[in-house]
Amino acid sequence: EVQLLESGGGLVQPGGSLRLSCTVSGFTFSNYAMSWVRQAPGKGLQWVSAISYDGSRTYYADSVKGRFTISRDDSDNTLYLQMNSLKVEDTALYYCARRNGDDGFDYWGQGTLVSVSS
Amino acid sequence: QSVVTQPPSASGTPGQRVTISCSGSSSNIGSKSVHWYQQFPGKAPKLLIYRNNQRPSGVPDRFSGSKSGTSASLAISGLRSEDEGDYYCAVWDDSLRSWLFGGGTKLTVL
Repeated sequence: EVQLLESGGGLVQPGGSLRLSCTVSGFTFSNYAMSWVRQAPGKGLQWVSAISYDGSRTYYADSVKGRFTISRDDSDNTLYLQMNSLKVEDTALYYCARRNGDDGFDYWGQGTLVSVSS
Repeated sequence: QSVVTQPPSASGTPGQRVTISCSGSSSNIGSKSVHWYQQFPGKAPKLLIYRNNQRPSGVPDRFSGSKSGTSASLAISGLRSEDEGDYYCAVWDDSLRSWLFGGGTKLTVL
């Protein structure tokens, strides 16, 4: 059974940092590109960042470019999102999602909540 | 404001057919596959339609997708009360090098 489990969310002050983790199981992690998608309270889905299956390519939404870093550890079956210089507008539920080639994001975690507030 | 546009709301009565549109441009919908997601309150999104018109196993054939030019549509036939939720289209944009989600459509079953 495919499972994705996010962790690392919490309350942080503006300007602070957090590192999110997404631990996966039930599939060969190193074969799949992965993404982070967030959802602010009461708002829609917003893609944040993506990493290729081999980690050689990374992509970021303009709103987080230069502040967030996506990475992966295939030996640990874990996806990461290092978030620096956090802003109030980064407050959201952060999901990790598996991209299955051209078949979209076929599996999602349950999300980890990040709250940025003073 | 999303580069990919959906109507904020849609509604229908049980048994009706409802369509939700998703409008983009040549750098996204016009040249890439569109995917649709269904989300219920407090739940993670679920893949509903992939590659414009393909259904994952387990998704009822009441749900269908189509694409023409720079627009795509999700159709739900035989509407049921349990279909009430939020629906999002998503597509890769070659110019922005980003995934784009539509703003989402809240479906109400009257």
